Amino acid sequence: DTGVSQDPRHKITKRGQNVTFRCDPISEHNRLYWYRQTLGQGPEFLTYFQNEAQLEKSRLLSDRFSAERPKGSFSTLEIQRTEQGDSAMYLCASSRAEANTEAFFGQGTRLTVV
Amino acid sequence: AQSVTQLGSHVSVSEGALVLLRCNYSSSVPPYLFWYVQYPNQGLQLLLKYTTGATLVKGINGFEAEFKKSETSFHLTKPSAHMSDAAEYFCAVSEAGGSYIPTFGRGTSLIVHP
Repeated sequence: DTGVSQDPRHKITKRGQNVTFRCDPISEHNRLYWYRQTLGQGPEFLTYFQNEAQLEKSRLLSDRFSAERPKGSFSTLEIQRTEQGDSAMYLCASSRAEANTEAFFGQGTRLTVV
Repeated sequence: AQSVTQLGSHVSVSEGALVLLRCNYSSSVPPYLFWYVQYPNQGLQLLLKYTTGATLVKGINGFEAEFKKSETSFHLTKPSAHMSDAAEYFCAVSEAGGSYIPTFGRGTSLIVHP
């Protein structure tokens, strides 16, 4: 049973650099979510995909952020021109498409912008 | 719009004592409700969920929660705390009939004293 995997687990980058994170969901799951979590807070929704279609984006997702899910499999989240405020844990989750199912989370990618 | 309020950012109990973590939700349609646990530097793991049917839901590790529509609550309980229960706990809500994106509370840190 391979769960949701995220790569890398940790990323330290200099302010102004671009970073890209990858998420591999559970294979039979149609939905894929990206969340951001800062210290002492709950996960905040960023965006989600149903298959390859990106159906909703939070207003938290500035134009420096972009996400893709080509072919409806893995997903990438790119942050351009990183800022110190982007430092956070980025969580990926996947689920089946039915409304009453739970999301399964990866271990997250911790981003530190210095 | 859906939202979750978790009362108490920290709850401290002695080993063997009752655990009670509070969650109140706001939803304009019947909700689906979830409790997740997060250990340091890890993703979120599902403890239990309420979708329909029985309002008392049992989960893993001896936890249970009761859906009370009249009180818009979904409090998490465990009769006897164990040291290994020390973690961050998150309540989440998604709305049936909408895009059912899970919305999380800010979390409650459970501290267990020997």
